[in-house]
Parts: sequence; C-alpha cells; structure tokens
Amino acid sequence: GDSVTQMEGPVTLSEEAFLTINCTYTATGYPSLFWYVQYPGEGLQLLLKATKADDKGSNKGFEATYRKETTSFHLEKGSVQVSDSAVYFCALSPFSGGYNKLIFGAGTRLAVHP
Amino acid sequence: DTEVTQTPKHLVMGMTNKKSLKCEQHMGHRAMYWYKQKAKKPPELMFVYSYEKLSINESVPSRFSPECPNSSLLNLHLHALQPEDSALYLCASSQADLDNEQFFGPGTRLTVL
Repeated sequence: GDSVTQMEGPVTLSEEAFLTINCTYTATGYPSLFWYVQYPGEGLQLLLKATKADDKGSNKGFEATYRKETTSFHLEKGSVQVSDSAVYFCALSPFSGGYNKLIFGAGTRLAVHP
Repeated sequence: DTEVTQTPKHLVMGMTNKKSLKCEQHMGHRAMYWYKQKAKKPPELMFVYSYEKLSINESVPSRFSPECPNSSLLNLHLHALQPEDSALYLCASSQADLDNEQFFGPGTRLTVL
C-alpha cells in the first residue's frame, strides 16, 4: 500500500543553520505531496505542496521538490529560526474521487536553539 | 474565511458520559474529515464525509459516531469511551476533487477518565 517514510528526529539545530528533512514515499500512480507543520498545542498547517513530478513547492523560506525518479520530497530551508521549532509531517494524497485521503509520515520534531 | 473551527478546545469526560465534538467551516468545502492524534504520532484518519455522505469509516469503534448535518458542520458523538481514547481530535476540510489540500482545525484535546 501507499506509505511515507520520514527521517527520525528530533533534529536539533542552531539558529541560521541549514535544514533538510528527508521524506520518501511509496505509491501507485501519481500522488500529490505535502508538508504540514504542527506547532505545540495546535492543529496542522499546510506548509507547501506539489502535485506533479519536478514541481517545487515553497513557502516561508521552505522548499521541497517532487522527485519521481527517487520518490522523494525532501524539505529544506536555508536559515532556520527559533520560531520554526515544530513537528513537520510529510504526506501524500493518492487519487480518490470526491475527497483527498492523506497518508502521513511519522513526523520529524525540529528544535532550533538561539 | 479560511478557518476551520472546533469546539470545545478541551474536554474531560467519564467512561459513562455522552458528549459531542463540533467542527465548522465556511469555505464551501464539500469534504470533511475526522482524525485522531495520539502524542508524538501522526494523525490517523477516522472518517471522511464527501457531499454530506459518509465515504470512509476506518474501522472505528461504534462508540464514535459521526454526523454531517449540512455542508458546513461535522459532529463526532462520543459514548462509553475508554481511557485509551484520550487524544487530540482534529477536524479538516477540503475541496472534493483532486489536488486540494486539507485545512485543519486546532483540535479538541479529549481526556477520558
């Protein structure tokens, strides 16, 4: 079945460091790919998405490129801030008529220190 | 309005109580979802409604009963819950077609005593 694998956390970085969180997926067909972020005590917020191969999603300095050949969607940011501390979930949405069923990775906790 | 609201924010209930969680959106979305999230885990899909009809029930115990009274509202009725049902319950909505992201509410933190 469809699945998402994320690198295990926690990831601990100093402010202004470069961030990479790896995400690979297994899916039939051509799913859409998403990164969601969850701040402590809150629900999930969409960070970025890509709907086809070679698409690059970007938002708030974060980027991820849909790589079909490596079935990957790695999240990157050039310079993290303390406010980026949160849990990041990679997710895929396979084709479904009438709704989008999200399949999440396990999540990666990011802690950024001043 | 790009917000999904959920009430209550926190709920404590005994195993014999009956309570309901409520979710509302005014984005014109025709798909709505309930998720359960345990600590340090990803959300687990429970139910999906599409055009006010139940489309997916992920083998959820009958002590959880969803209801979609109209296209803007989604309820989750709770009865005879167990302590292991304590979790964050998240509601989400989306357009009912391809490639549209889900918008999540802030969740209801449920504690079953």
